[in-house]
Amino acid sequence: GESVGLHLPTLSVQEGDNSIINCAYSNSASDYFIWYKQESGKGPQFIIDIRSNMDKRQGQRVTVLLNKTVKHLSLQIAATQPGDSAVYFCAENPGNQFYFGTGTSLTVIP
Amino acid sequence: DVKVTQSSRYLVKRTGEKVFLECVQDMDHENMFWYRQDPGLGLRLIYFSYDVKMKEKGDIPEGYSVSREKKERFSLILESASTNQTSMYLCACSRGWNTEAFFGQGTRLTVV
Repeated sequence: GESVGLHLPTLSVQEGDNSIINCAYSNSASDYFIWYKQESGKGPQFIIDIRSNMDKRQGQRVTVLLNKTVKHLSLQIAATQPGDSAVYFCAENPGNQFYFGTGTSLTVIP
Repeated sequence: DVKVTQSSRYLVKRTGEKVFLECVQDMDHENMFWYRQDPGLGLRLIYFSYDVKMKEKGDIPEGYSVSREKKERFSLILESASTNQTSMYLCACSRGWNTEAFFGQGTRLTVV
């Protein structure tokens, strides 16, 4: 099966700092990627997506970077806020289904 | 906004019981999915459906079945619940294969 991993299981950042969450994927045929945020007791919530014809996409306070050469995806959160504390995980899609990473738990220190 | 509603937030069932988890979406999406989420394992696909009455096995279908009689409703059935099926179950839907998947709030099932 697919292997979608994250470099760190936990990440703590100071409020106001930028956060970077990394993800490695294994299927070079994957052409669509999503970052999800999951707060405690809730279902995953879409943050941002990117297709393989792009290497960067920006949203509100978030940026996703895609490096297809090394099969690496990252999520950057600018000016991290307490409400950003959650588990973040990436998903890759080679065309038929999503494969999800195990998640990085982000804690924002006030 | 797409809304995906799972019938229960928490369930406690006994070993051997037949368990139904219901999921309803309100955006007329073709694809619906059932995942289970376990610590350290991420989301794993149990079954998915791309049309009414159509279903496909995911990565871990053993011990589960599904039903999709109407486009908006996708049910997950545990024929005979076992303790190793204690998990968080998540339903999702998407308009196409390479589009965003929207999730429900999850059902935390405990089998005792």
